[in-house]
Amino acid sequence: SQTIHQWPATLVQPVGSPLSLECTVEGTSNPNLYWYRQAAGRGLQLLFYSVGIGQISSEVPQNLSASRPQDRQFILSSKKLLLSDSGFYLCASGQGEIEKLFFGSGTQLSVL
Amino acid sequence: GQNIDQPTEMTATEGAIVQINCTYQTSGFNGLFWYQQHAGEAPTFLSYNVLDGLEEKGRFSSFLSRSKGYSYLLLKELQMKDSASYLCAVMDSNYQLIWGAGTKLIIKP
Repeated sequence: SQTIHQWPATLVQPVGSPLSLECTVEGTSNPNLYWYRQAAGRGLQLLFYSVGIGQISSEVPQNLSASRPQDRQFILSSKKLLLSDSGFYLCASGQGEIEKLFFGSGTQLSVL
Repeated sequence: GQNIDQPTEMTATEGAIVQINCTYQTSGFNGLFWYQQHAGEAPTFLSYNVLDGLEEKGRFSSFLSRSKGYSYLLLKELQMKDSASYLCAVMDSNYQLIWGAGTKLIIKP
């Protein structure tokens, strides 16, 4: 099965500072990769997904961006964080059209 | 629009049985997933249903009725470690996952 490494586990950043969250995948090749955000009491919100190197689809217009420089590496970035960017960020990996997702351990981001 | 409804919170007793319901309205259907998420942790896969009926996997079972847009997750012989949120998600006609807000299950001794 797949293993998803995601770091850091927690992050406290001031408003206006940059962000870089990294996710790497082991145990598979050419996975579909996802960035989700989970607000308290809300469903998972899909931010970005990627079906291959350099291929990024954005689901929600915002000040975040994603990149996939390698097959099993997915990065979530921002140039200037907003208070509304606070939340629990999850990286996930899956394969095929009907896919079971494997999630990373998540990053709790607090923007102050 | 697309919508997944689950109860926000449920309470059950250790050793008992609990049923968590999920109703959905989506543009197309390519399967329904249940995930378990302990507080502060990542979701983990529990089950996948694409055909009507009951799928049993140990103490956990999942049921689907496509005509009713309805599923439930049945947990038997509840243990304290089953205290978690249970997320229902439906894959629509575009193979995109639509997520419910989750049901927080509290197990009391």
